[in-house]
Amino acid sequence: KNQVEQSPQSLIILEGKNCTLQCNYTVSPFSNLRWYKQDTGRGPVSLTIMTFSENTKSNGRYTATLDADTKQSSLHITASQLSDSASYICVVISFGNEKLTFGTGTRLTIIP
Amino acid sequence: DTGVSQDPRHKITKRGQNVTFRCDPISEHNRLYWYRQTLGQGPEFLTYFQNEAQLEKSRLLSDRFSAERPKGSFSTLEIQRTEQGDSAMYLCASSLWGSRGENTEAFFGQGTRLTVV
Repeated sequence: KNQVEQSPQSLIILEGKNCTLQCNYTVSPFSNLRWYKQDTGRGPVSLTIMTFSENTKSNGRYTATLDADTKQSSLHITASQLSDSASYICVVISFGNEKLTFGTGTRLTIIP
Repeated sequence: DTGVSQDPRHKITKRGQNVTFRCDPISEHNRLYWYRQTLGQGPEFLTYFQNEAQLEKSRLLSDRFSAERPKGSFSTLEIQRTEQGDSAMYLCASSLWGSRGENTEAFFGQGTRLTVV
């Protein structure tokens, strides 16, 4: 069964600190992996898209990594801001039917 | 604003009533997806369309649920005889599927929050 698992489930850090969120998946065949940010009560918004050949991709303070061999991805947030408080969802897209399989997300809370 | 709009944003209904949600995708996007999300969980796939054709339906989509995309533009999701377990956020997303099989990223709407009392 295609699955996407994320850890930790929730995380609380001080403003200005860095953090790393993890995503492990079993989805096959693999097309690409995306990290979404979802504010409470709103729809998810894309942060990064990682294809099979990409190992690292940055978007401002967000850096995503992908290891397609071990089927793991991480999202690193540097110099966290209060506005980073949200759920971060890892989504893996299957090759062929382009079906999206969602992880359960990591709930990140930044405290001042 | 991602360009995908959903209506209404919130809906409270009594158990047993029917409800209908609408999604307007990004105009040039030919794929439209419906997801359901309960508190603390990631979105769960319900169904998706390519143009007006409904290509896949999840087992989560019981016979009380029906989705349409009659002209390949907006879509509606109807739930008949609502139950308390239907309370969730219903998310719509759209993407552009190319002739060579390439797919742009999916853009999500803000969702419709359904509460069945």
